[in-house]
Amino acid sequence: AQSVTQLDSHVSVSEGTPVLLRCNYSSSYSPSLFWYVQHPNKGLQLLLKYTSAATLVKGINGFEAEFKKSETSFHLTKPSAHMSDAAEYFCVVSDDLGYGGATNKLIFGTGTLLAVQP
Amino acid sequence: GAVVSQHPSRVICKSGTSVKIECRSLDFQATTMFWYRQFPKQSLMLMATSNEGSKATYEQGVEKDKFLINHASLTLSTLTVTSAHPEDSSFYICSARDPRRGYSGANVLTFGAGSRLTVL
Repeated sequence: AQSVTQLDSHVSVSEGTPVLLRCNYSSSYSPSLFWYVQHPNKGLQLLLKYTSAATLVKGINGFEAEFKKSETSFHLTKPSAHMSDAAEYFCVVSDDLGYGGATNKLIFGTGTLLAVQP
Repeated sequence: GAVVSQHPSRVICKSGTSVKIECRSLDFQATTMFWYRQFPKQSLMLMATSNEGSKATYEQGVEKDKFLINHASLTLSTLTVTSAHPEDSSFYICSARDPRRGYSGANVLTFGAGSRLTVL
């Protein structure tokens, strides 16, 4: 079974400093991995996705993530935090059984709440 | 890009009443939609997969008679919480996949903004 583990439930950084949100995955297949962001009382927005192409994935708003198979990790980073980055971040793995057989199920991590201090 | 709209965004109801939440794909036809539930400060849990023109597929532990899902058209799925109780209070989120972009895991789901249900 596929799963993701977000290692930190809360992360607090100062504005302008780097952000690191950690995620480890478990998958029997070559996984599709995603990071989503959820601002208070709003829907989920895709930040970036990994789909077995380049291991370093660049997303929106300056975020990027690196797929490391040897470490089964997909950590999210940003060089310089902005106040608007304060939100909940979810690492997600797709239960993808391949074309035509995909269940399309997304398995969510428990989330990391990012706080950005002025 | 694909847009998914949910309505209402917030609803408060009395215990024992039923509440309907709508999920619409605005600029694409979605044969499949997904309903998630998010408890406070917790992750999203898939409740069911809504299939246009057929019965929904429920995840283990989700009561079919409690959470009625209807996907009568290619752009609308509804979730009805029947005989709601305070423990049903939660944030319900729908999502849909644009079939024009294929069905692999790389095809990203578009999420609605969610509906917050409070049962008094």
